[in-house]
Amino acid sequence: EVQLVESGGGLLKPGGSLRLSCAASGFTFTNTWMSWVRQAPGKGLEWVGRINTKADGATTDYAAPVKGRFTISRDDSRNTLYLQMNSLKTEDTAVYYCTREDWWSLSHWGQGTLVTVSS
Amino acid sequence: DVVMTQSPLSLPVTLGQPASISCRSSQSLVYSDGNTYLSWFQQRPGQSPRRLIYKVSKRDSGVPDRFSGSGSGTDFTLKISRVEAEDVGVYYCMQGTHWPPWTFGQGTKVEIK
Repeated sequence: EVQLVESGGGLLKPGGSLRLSCAASGFTFTNTWMSWVRQAPGKGLEWVGRINTKADGATTDYAAPVKGRFTISRDDSRNTLYLQMNSLKTEDTAVYYCTREDWWSLSHWGQGTLVTVSS
Repeated sequence: DVVMTQSPLSLPVTLGQPASISCRSSQSLVYSDGNTYLSWFQQRPGQSPRRLIYKVSKRDSGVPDRFSGSGSGTDFTLKISRVEAEDVGVYYCMQGTHWPPWTFGQGTKVEIK
């Protein structure tokens, strides 16, 4: 069974930094492209960014609102995906979901972790 | 960026009756490989999203067959043949053809009348 478990969320002030983690199991993580998606309170879904496999160069892509501030990485030895968030803004407040990709889509989602940015 | 527009945004339905949600993209979602990467997700209250449909009409494992997807090019539809109480929630379409970024529709809230 595919499982994605996010951790690392919390409350912090604007300008702060935070690193989210996503522990993956139940599939071959090394061979899988992964994405982060967020959802602001009471709002819709927003794709944040993705990382492909090491075999594909571990290349990353990001949505415009987070480009230059967020960094996605992966540790295949730990089956873990990361989202490093710097220079956080109040508009980054959201539940952040770790997702597994297939067929240019998001096949599995974690339970999410809440990040609140507030002064 | 490709804009995904869903309608209606709110859909009150009667139990046992059909329901239909429309999703339109600002440009064709046919990829260079001939496939169309349009997905549908369900988000029940208080839960994470769950994929129902990918590649327009492919149902995910465990998804009841009362859910079906159709469409082509820029116009797509999610249909529920007979709405059940557990279908209450918000439904999103998403395009995976033109990236980055992948983009979602605004969401359609399905509720029971």
